[in-house]
Amino acid sequence: GDSVTQMEGPVTLSEEAFLTINCTYTATGYPSLFWYVQYPGEGLQLLLKATKADDKGSNKGFEATYRKETTSFHLEKGSVQVSDSAVYFCALTSTSGTYKYIFGTGTRLKVLA
Amino acid sequence: GAGVSQSPSNKVTEKGKDVELRCDPISGHTALYWYRQRLGQGLEFLIYFQGNSAPDKSGLPSDRFSAERTGESVSTLTIQRTQQEDSAVYLCASSLYGISIDEQYFGPGTRLTVT
Repeated sequence: GDSVTQMEGPVTLSEEAFLTINCTYTATGYPSLFWYVQYPGEGLQLLLKATKADDKGSNKGFEATYRKETTSFHLEKGSVQVSDSAVYFCALTSTSGTYKYIFGTGTRLKVLA
Repeated sequence: GAGVSQSPSNKVTEKGKDVELRCDPISGHTALYWYRQRLGQGLEFLIYFQGNSAPDKSGLPSDRFSAERTGESVSTLTIQRTQQEDSAVYLCASSLYGISIDEQYFGPGTRLTVT
């Protein structure tokens, strides 16, 4: 079945450092790919998405490119801020049956001033 | 407009009791999803409703779990004879059409603690 593998956290960075959070997936079809973020005390919210191969999703300085050849959707940001501290979830929409999300386990990011 | 709302926000119950969790999706959204998030883990799909179609119950962990949805509005997730392993945050989400490219909008969750 479909699955998402996300790098283990926590990730601790200094402000203005470069961020990469790895995400790879397994799917039999052509899923849409998402990054969701959960800030402390808040609900899950969409950060960015890509719906087909080679698409790049971007928002708030974050980017991720849908790489079909490597089945990856790594999240990157050139210069993180303290306010980026949160838990980041990679997800795909299932390609079998209903379009439920399959989530990774989440990566906690802590940015130090 | 209003987002997805869930109630209660917190629920503490004794093992063996039944609990009912409520979700109010965004108005006009035809698809509604329930997920479970155990401590330190990712989100686990439970059940999916889309319009008048039969729900996808493939994620329900046992027959103690059931859910209903009234038309394209409120949904209730019921857990009977709760067990300690049911302790988790239960998240509801809705989307406009329930198709692959749709964003799902999540509610704040109900934190369930079974003692």
